[in-house]
Amino acid sequence: KAGVTQTPRYLIKTRGQQVTLSCSPISGHRSVSWYQQTPGQGLQFLFEYFSETQRNKGNFPGRFSGRQFSNSRSEMNVSTLELGDSALYLCASCPSGTYQETQYFGPGTRLLVL
Amino acid sequence: GDSVTQMEGPVTLSEEAFLTINCTYTATGYPSLFWYVQYPGEGLQLLLKATKADDKGSNKGFEATYRKETTSFHLEKGSVQVSDSAVYFCALRATGNQFYFGTGTSLTVIP
Repeated sequence: KAGVTQTPRYLIKTRGQQVTLSCSPISGHRSVSWYQQTPGQGLQFLFEYFSETQRNKGNFPGRFSGRQFSNSRSEMNVSTLELGDSALYLCASCPSGTYQETQYFGPGTRLLVL
Repeated sequence: GDSVTQMEGPVTLSEEAFLTINCTYTATGYPSLFWYVQYPGEGLQLLLKATKADDKGSNKGFEATYRKETTSFHLEKGSVQVSDSAVYFCALRATGNQFYFGTGTSLTVIP
């Protein structure tokens, strides 16, 4: 089975722009979660989608949004980029998101905001 | 709310030394507990997990036991190798909730 894939792998943007990141989960997985990883804050949860519905949401401003499509692929969007948004954005999937399931991570998208 | 407290690093050990990375948790329910590992430039990979009290997860020589009485899930390995150099994350998930990750512990093993 193919793993979680994320595109693009690297991205450079300037302040004020917006960006869309994509995540394709493992085939058959319906839960997709997004995380922001920075050296100072560690791994921070952004949101989780299951069957096209946002199920959980972290403590991020409204500039961060996401969606999930009927094939379980997910996108996250960041509008009005700030320097502090520079980070590694990780996507993870699992079959249905029950507490016993393992989350499988993609390689991440590294975003640099100039 | 749910949370994970993880031993701060960085940790530097000589090859074949014994490794312990402490992890304690707070959870309102009965969570599953996980250890993930992240190698440079990569995403997180599951190392091991335990889904109920007294379960022991193990993989690649690493072990951790789910201790409900001490709310702990410490990671151990008897003899580390240079290839174990990575960042290790403790995590929990309770039913209906998101994953909560610790801050990560960087391990460097020197020959």
